[in-house]
Amino acid sequence: DAKTTQPNSMESNEEEPVHLPCNHSTISGTDYIHWYRQLPSQGPEYVIHGLTSNVNNRMASLAIAEDRKSSTLILHRATLRDAAVYYCIPSGLLGGSEKLVFGKGMKLTVNP
Amino acid sequence: DSGVTQTPKHLITATGQRVTLRCSPRSGDLSVYWYQQSLDQGLQFLIQYYNGEERAKGNILERFSAQQFPDLHSELNLSSLELGDSALYFCASSVVSSGGANEQFFGPGTRLTVL
Repeated sequence: DAKTTQPNSMESNEEEPVHLPCNHSTISGTDYIHWYRQLPSQGPEYVIHGLTSNVNNRMASLAIAEDRKSSTLILHRATLRDAAVYYCIPSGLLGGSEKLVFGKGMKLTVNP
Repeated sequence: DSGVTQTPKHLITATGQRVTLRCSPRSGDLSVYWYQQSLDQGLQFLIQYYNGEERAKGNILERFSAQQFPDLHSELNLSSLELGDSALYFCASSVVSSGGANEQFFGPGTRLTVL
């Protein structure tokens, strides 16, 4: 399993953009980079994933470095509802399973 | 609402007992995953079933077992419970395998408290 490094925590202000970094220098060539988040008292929630190209969806954007050793999740306008623990997870088809290996994640605080 | 349901929401039991946690995946999802979240270990993958067959095992104790039924719902059985088994247990589901690109949809979890 690829090792990931994320800051323990970050703070942002409401309605401002926030960039959440992740290092995954041991990622394999076929692993996708997934981001999930977990709001307080809820199950994890899928945010976005990508392989090589930058990706956008209604929740966020994902910028992937050219060497794929790092990625950045971008929330364009943080809201109070975005306060959560964010997990960056390299994931592929390992032994026929797409299990997710969660690290410690990064706690995002959004200030009003 | 992810479409994944888990019952019960809360479970309080005593050491040495056995409990069964139930998960109904999203309609059409063939894969079911079980994860355990405790304060000291974080979120850990336990086991995966795909269309009724065990697909992968993680850090699942021998006292724990799971199965997936023909209607695709899954049950996680925990026996000889210990205080350290107190945790949140999440079930997730996804569609057929596509090389790691699938998103998993998580249920709300079952909070197990062992006294």
